[in-house]
Amino acid sequence: AQSVAQPEDQVNVAEGNPLTVKCTYSVSGNPYLFWYVQYPNRGLQFLLKYITGDNLVKGSYGFEAEFNKSQTSFHLKKPSALVSDSALYFCAVRVGYSSASKIIFGSGTRLSIRP
Amino acid sequence: NAGVTQTPKFQVLKTGQSMTLQCAQDMNHNSMYWYRQDPGMGLRLIYYSASEGTTDKGEVPNGYNVSRLNKREFSLRLESAAPSQTSVYFCASSAYEGQGWGTDTQYFGPGTRLTVL
Repeated sequence: AQSVAQPEDQVNVAEGNPLTVKCTYSVSGNPYLFWYVQYPNRGLQFLLKYITGDNLVKGSYGFEAEFNKSQTSFHLKKPSALVSDSALYFCAVRVGYSSASKIIFGSGTRLSIRP
Repeated sequence: NAGVTQTPKFQVLKTGQSMTLQCAQDMNHNSMYWYRQDPGMGLRLIYYSASEGTTDKGEVPNGYNVSRLNKREFSLRLESAAPSQTSVYFCASSAYEGQGWGTDTQYFGPGTRLTVL
């Protein structure tokens, strides 16, 4: 079955330290991968996506993600965490083809940055 | 430019009541989506509309109907609400960005928090 998994419900990091939020996927064909962030009582906001090309993708707010085909992973990273990065993060993957394709979201990882 | 708007923001229903959640986007996007968000389960797709005049079922369509009223508006109807439909509902839209289907960035509304008693 095609799926996306976020193995950690919560990640805790001290401000200024690097952070990683993990995502693994299982899809047939070329994976199209996304990261979205949700702040309290808000809708999701797009951070970045991998479609093709360079395995390291840079996105909003200093975040980046590395596509690793052999490990079927797309981990979100940031070199130096800010308290304002505290939010719920979702990995997503496209499944299907052409106009019937749709996006499947992971269960989310809550990122908590302590001062 | 408001992006994606949803009404209402909050709603409480009794079991068996019906209601329609409204969604509108002003970005001239072709595709629109309805998701529900439940704790520990991420977002699950209820229905989507790839373009005006078409709608398709997502992962969890049972108990819901949709209408793509025009290019801007996509409504979600609960005909007979059940407690299992207590959730936060998000509408989203996307434009075809030219890199292939399913590569498009989705833009989300602020959500509707629905409680069914």
